[in-house]
Amino acid sequence: GENVEQHPSTLSVQEGDSAVIKCTYSDSASNYFPWYKQELGKRPQLIIDIRSNVGEKKDQRIAVTLNKTAKHFSLHITETQPEDSAVYFCAALGTYKYIFGTGTRLKVLA
Amino acid sequence: DAGITQSPRHKVTETGTPVTLRCHQTENHRYMYWYRQDPGHGLRLIHYSYGVKDTDKGEVSDGYSVSRSKTEDFLLTLESATSSQTSVYFCAISESTGSVDEQFFGPGTRLTVL
Repeated sequence: GENVEQHPSTLSVQEGDSAVIKCTYSDSASNYFPWYKQELGKRPQLIIDIRSNVGEKKDQRIAVTLNKTAKHFSLHITETQPEDSAVYFCAALGTYKYIFGTGTRLKVLA
Repeated sequence: DAGITQSPRHKVTETGTPVTLRCHQTENHRYMYWYRQDPGHGLRLIHYSYGVKDTDKGEVSDGYSVSRSKTEDFLLTLESATSSQTSVYFCAISESTGSVDEQFFGPGTRLTVL
């Protein structure tokens, strides 16, 4: 069935450094790729998304890139801050259904 | 946050008892979803609905049933709860029409089955 693989499962970076999280999807019909941030005890919140007709999207310190040929998409966070510490999930939208990656726990060390 | 509420927010029950979780939205969105979240597994889809009385199974539907009798409510029922169903359950909604695919999550329900 469809699946989304996400790496790494944990990531520690120094404050001010960049963080990159990568996902690979299997359903070639997927055309929408959101990224969610989940803080401890909270609900997942959408932080950025990208559609299949776009290769890159940026919003301040976060950016997402998509390679449809390779079925890869990545989240890039620059100038990381302690408040970026959270669990990040990627997802791919197929027909009606969103398939989620297993999450990356990002720790930003002050 | 989008107008999504879940009830109850916390529940402790015993093995073998029936449990119903409720998701209520005020956004009039067409699509509604139930996920469970467990360490190491991320968010896994249990069931989803694409309209009133239109539902379908997700990847972990065994032991769960759903109903949607009106647009705003999506109920998840555990007919006979088991300890393996201890989890955090999230409801989500989306419109998914044209270019609008954004999915919004409810606050979650923490269920413990003893």
